[in-house]
Amino acid sequence: GENVEQHPSTLSVQEGDSAVIKCTYSDSASNYFPWYKQELGKRPQLIIDIRSNVGEKKDQRIAVTLNKTAKHFSLHITETQPEDSAVYFCAVPAASGGGADGLTFGKGTHLIIQP
Amino acid sequence: NAGVMQNPRHLVRRRGQEARLRCSPMKGHSHVYWYRQLPEEGLKFMVYLQKENIIDESGMPKERFSAEFPKEGPSILRIQQVVRGDSAAYFCASSPSTGELLHFGNGTRLTVT
Repeated sequence: GENVEQHPSTLSVQEGDSAVIKCTYSDSASNYFPWYKQELGKRPQLIIDIRSNVGEKKDQRIAVTLNKTAKHFSLHITETQPEDSAVYFCAVPAASGGGADGLTFGKGTHLIIQP
Repeated sequence: NAGVMQNPRHLVRRRGQEARLRCSPMKGHSHVYWYRQLPEEGLKFMVYLQKENIIDESGMPKERFSAEFPKEGPSILRIQQVVRGDSAAYFCASSPSTGELLHFGNGTRLTVT
C-alpha cells in the first residue's frame, strides 16, 4: 500500500510569517494530492488539491507544490493568521493510479500561529 | 446540499455493548468511506463501500466491526462488544466517483466506559 510521511509534526510560526509542510509518498503512480485542514473538534476539510499534470497551484494565501520526481509535495501558507491554527493533513490515493480505495493520510501537522 | 450527515455526534457505551454509527452521504455521492481518528493522531482508513457493496474493508478489524450501505438509507458502521480501545472519533466521507474530493461528516465521537 501507499506510504505517506508528513513533516513536521508540529510547526509554530509568528503571525504574518509563512508556514511550509511537506509530505513524501512511495507510489510513483499517484496522481492526486489533496491537503485537509482540521480545526479542533471539527471535521477535516479539503483546502487545496493538485493533480500530477501541474507543478504548482495557488489559492489566495495557500499554495501546493508537487515534485513528482522526488515524490514529495508541500503546502505553503503565506501571511499566516490566527485562524490558520489547526492540524493539516496531506493525503494520496490509497490505490495506484486512481484512488478507488480512498485516501491514505499523513499523520498530520499541528500548526500554531503565535500572535 | 446538506453535506455528509453523521449521527449521533456523541455516543457513550459501556464495555460489551454495541455501537451503531450512521452516515448519509452528500446528495449524488455513491462512494462512502469510514475513517477512525484516535486522539492526537491521523485518519486511519477502515472501509470503503458503494451501494449494497463493500469494496475494500482492509482497514477494518476482522472481529466485532462491520459496515453496510444498503440500497435505501444511511451507511452503518457497527461495533459489537465495544472495548475501551474503540473510543475514538469515527468520520464518514463521501465522494462522487473515485477516492478524490472526499467530503467529511462531522464525525461521531465514541466513548466506551
